[in-house]
Amino acid sequence: SQQGEEDPQALSIQEGENATMNCSYKTSINNLQWYRQNSGRGLVHLILIRSNEREKHSGRLRVTLDTSKKSSSLLITASRAADTASYFCATGAAGNKLTFGGGTRVLVKP
Amino acid sequence: GAVVSQHPSRVICKSGTSVKIECRSLDFQATTMFWYRQFPKQSLMLMATSNEGSKATYEQGVEKDKFLINHASLTLSTLTVTSAHPEDSSFYICSAYRVTNEKLFFGSGTQLSVL
Repeated sequence: SQQGEEDPQALSIQEGENATMNCSYKTSINNLQWYRQNSGRGLVHLILIRSNEREKHSGRLRVTLDTSKKSSSLLITASRAADTASYFCATGAAGNKLTFGGGTRVLVKP
Repeated sequence: GAVVSQHPSRVICKSGTSVKIECRSLDFQATTMFWYRQFPKQSLMLMATSNEGSKATYEQGVEKDKFLINHASLTLSTLTVTSAHPEDSSFYICSAYRVTNEKLFFGSGTQLSVL
């Protein structure tokens, strides 16, 4: 079963705009991770935020975590056409086992 | 960086045949690997956890006899889809856990099409 739900399911923006997507989860977590998947490919790890962290940055990515609301957001700033992909949040519990959210399909139009 | 190799990337087979998918960690040892299944435009669903030297742990609803997992070495896990049927057609992805940097690395996936 899926732990997280992502919102929106799909997002279409112009190059240069920011893209924001949200993830909600249900149970307690050790960490939350965001992954990117290009069509028909495997997943690439983007960023991990631990349960005791509230915000983390990596390049054009900004992730927030609100454990009281059991939610996280991923912001991609100054988007590029190459950012077109599906983005998944995943929550980790014991044993490094990840449970993935439903994903957000992002289309960045040039 | 660490790399996980998954092979084949695409396979087409006839109904009733068995298909083996390999997942290799190329530059690190992985005692734990995971197998996922993904339908078009959907998320990844964990099928099983592959443990080196012991039996795999399957998620609820996943048939052990249908999806055979073998993790015979620290760098290789295999998933065999036995007696494949069209409903088994899907995208299968493996991942391997690297203890040293606490990261999961994913294979590039296998698109299985059963005719």
